Amino acid sequence: NAGVTQTPKFQVLKTGQSMTLQCAQDMNHEYMSWYRQDPGMGLRLIHYSVGAGITDQGEVPNGYNVSRSTTEDFPLRLLSAAPSQTSVYFCASSYSGLASLRTQYFGPGTRLLVL
Amino acid sequence: AQSVTQPDIHITVSEGASLELRCNYSYGATPYLFWYVQSPGQGLQLLLKYFSGDTLVQGIKGFEAEFKRSQSSFNLRKPSVHWSDAAEYFCAMFNAGNNRKLIWGLGTSLAVNP
Repeated sequence: NAGVTQTPKFQVLKTGQSMTLQCAQDMNHEYMSWYRQDPGMGLRLIHYSVGAGITDQGEVPNGYNVSRSTTEDFPLRLLSAAPSQTSVYFCASSYSGLASLRTQYFGPGTRLLVL
Repeated sequence: AQSVTQPDIHITVSEGASLELRCNYSYGATPYLFWYVQSPGQGLQLLLKYFSGDTLVQGIKGFEAEFKRSQSSFNLRKPSVHWSDAAEYFCAMFNAGNNRKLIWGLGTSLAVNP
């Protein structure tokens, strides 16, 4: 059981470049989400998905796209990178439904620097 | 509005001392509450959670938390801190009315002096 995996671990981009952050889980979780973590701002939800084919916006969705074609994968796309997107990105997954099942499992994070 | 507040941005304790990290929530009904820990350079890991029942919940690594409805609090405690407990601690909440999104506190950074 690998849990939640994220690739890459580190990435440097130039302003205007695009890239995809990968996230995969092998726990058959319906719910997946992307957060960004910035100093003094805690965790902010970018996008989330409650199942394959269903996505929705979080608090800070601008500049990011997601899709959920399978239960396992939830990639995050930066369309045109900006320095304001320099951050640490975390993917998380959980079961949906009953509150008792809603423990979120986090990936190790992707550190992104946009120059 | 629903919110989670962690009043202490940074706390320093000596190894072996007791620890209490504060978490206050704002929500009209009973929330579902969590404490997560983030070690340096790592993702977040669940310490413990409260959904209902006994208001004192036990978690991993010797941590416990107590839900106090009258004070809208869910404080995290540990009787004797170890150097390896140095980390960032996050309190989070979701409610039955909006169980798709966790509401997060901004975190408390814990430093442990030898």
